[in-house]
Amino acid sequence: AQSVTQLDSQVPVFEEAPVELRCNYSSSVSVYLFWYVQYPNQGLQLLLKYLSGSTLVESINGFEAEFNKSQTSFHLRKPSVHISDTAEYFCAVTSWNQGGKLIFGQGTELSVKP
Amino acid sequence: KAGVTQTPRYLIKTRGQQVTLSCSPISGHRSVSWYQQTPGQGLQFLFEYFSETQRNKGNFPGRFSGRQFSNSRSEMNVSTLELGDSALYLCASSLDKGEAFFGQGTRLTVV
Repeated sequence: AQSVTQLDSQVPVFEEAPVELRCNYSSSVSVYLFWYVQYPNQGLQLLLKYLSGSTLVESINGFEAEFNKSQTSFHLRKPSVHISDTAEYFCAVTSWNQGGKLIFGQGTELSVKP
Repeated sequence: KAGVTQTPRYLIKTRGQQVTLSCSPISGHRSVSWYQQTPGQGLQFLFEYFSETQRNKGNFPGRFSGRQFSNSRSEMNVSTLELGDSALYLCASSLDKGEAFFGQGTRLTVV
């Protein structure tokens, strides 16, 4: 069975500071990994994904995540956050034999303060 | 390209009633998955349909059921509603495997 652990339920940070949201996964087969963001009363928006190839993946709004197979991690980072980054972030895992089924972590609430 | 559309956005039902939620996937997507989101349990997988067949199922009671039509649109039904079924129900579509695109969700309140 697969599982995802997001190590921090809440992360407060000041505007323009760097941030890291941690995600560890467990799986017996090769994985596909995702970060989704959810704003209040909205659905989930895909932030970035790792399917194969380069272990460092980037989003268009400055976030990046690195797939580390030995540490079974997929941490999300941003060098300088904005107020508009305030949201809940979810890490998710699936694999080739799971079809469209995603296993999500419990989420990390990122709160950016001025 | 239109995104995933879920209807209705909000719903209030009474205990014991049943409810049907609808999801229209992105054009060309054949996989539709449903998730329940609650503050206590987080995001939990309900089931996935691919080409009108249930391909995956989560650990929910039989009161939760779904189906997919030939145009890939999907419906989810919950019978004999309980207070604990109050949640945000999210639908996601994908081509087959890999990244999923989510709808805005249906907020169900059971009173």
